[in-house]
Amino acid sequence: AQSVTQLGSHVSVSEGALVLLRCNYSSSVPPYLFWYVQYPNQGLQLLLKYTSAATLVKGINGFEAEFKKSETSFHLTKPSAHMSDAAEYFCAVSDSQGGKLIFGQGTELSVKP
Amino acid sequence: NAGVTQTPKFQVLKTGQSMTLQCAQDMNHEYMSWYRQDPGMGLRLIHYSVGAGITDQGEVPNGYNVSRSTTEDFPLRLLSAAPSQTSVYFCASSQLGRRSYGYTFGSGTRLTVV
Repeated sequence: AQSVTQLGSHVSVSEGALVLLRCNYSSSVPPYLFWYVQYPNQGLQLLLKYTSAATLVKGINGFEAEFKKSETSFHLTKPSAHMSDAAEYFCAVSDSQGGKLIFGQGTELSVKP
Repeated sequence: NAGVTQTPKFQVLKTGQSMTLQCAQDMNHEYMSWYRQDPGMGLRLIHYSVGAGITDQGEVPNGYNVSRSTTEDFPLRLLSAAPSQTSVYFCASSQLGRRSYGYTFGSGTRLTVV
């Protein structure tokens, strides 16, 4: 069975600081991995996805994530936080192309001025 | 515009009432699914379907029924609503078996059971 664990339900950074949101997955087959962002009272927006091509994946809004099989991790980073990055971020895993998608518990990112 | 359409956007139910949350997509996606979102728990999979006539349970199926009679529609039924079903519900779809696939989400239904 697949599962996702996001370490830290709340992360707070200062504007301009590095953003690091942690995601570890469990999957019995090579995974497909995703990061989504949700702004208050809105739906889900895809930030980036890993589909077994390059291990370093670049997404929208300056975010990127690195797939590390040995660590079963897919952490999300951004070199310099912006106030507009404040939102909830979800990591998700699928064991097939377009099939069942399982989410982590989410990490709320706060950005201090 | 092509996408996933959820109706209604808001609903208040009394305990014991029944209702159906509607989800429709016009992208000919095989895979459709329902999630509920609760604070601190992320999105939890309720039921999913990989094609017309095929459904399966997700992580939290109790209290919910689904059917998939057409490729386009995947309604979620609450037979006897309970306050524990107060949540935001999202429907999602995708095309199976394509490397360049992506999941498309509806805008959500906010359900309150009193």
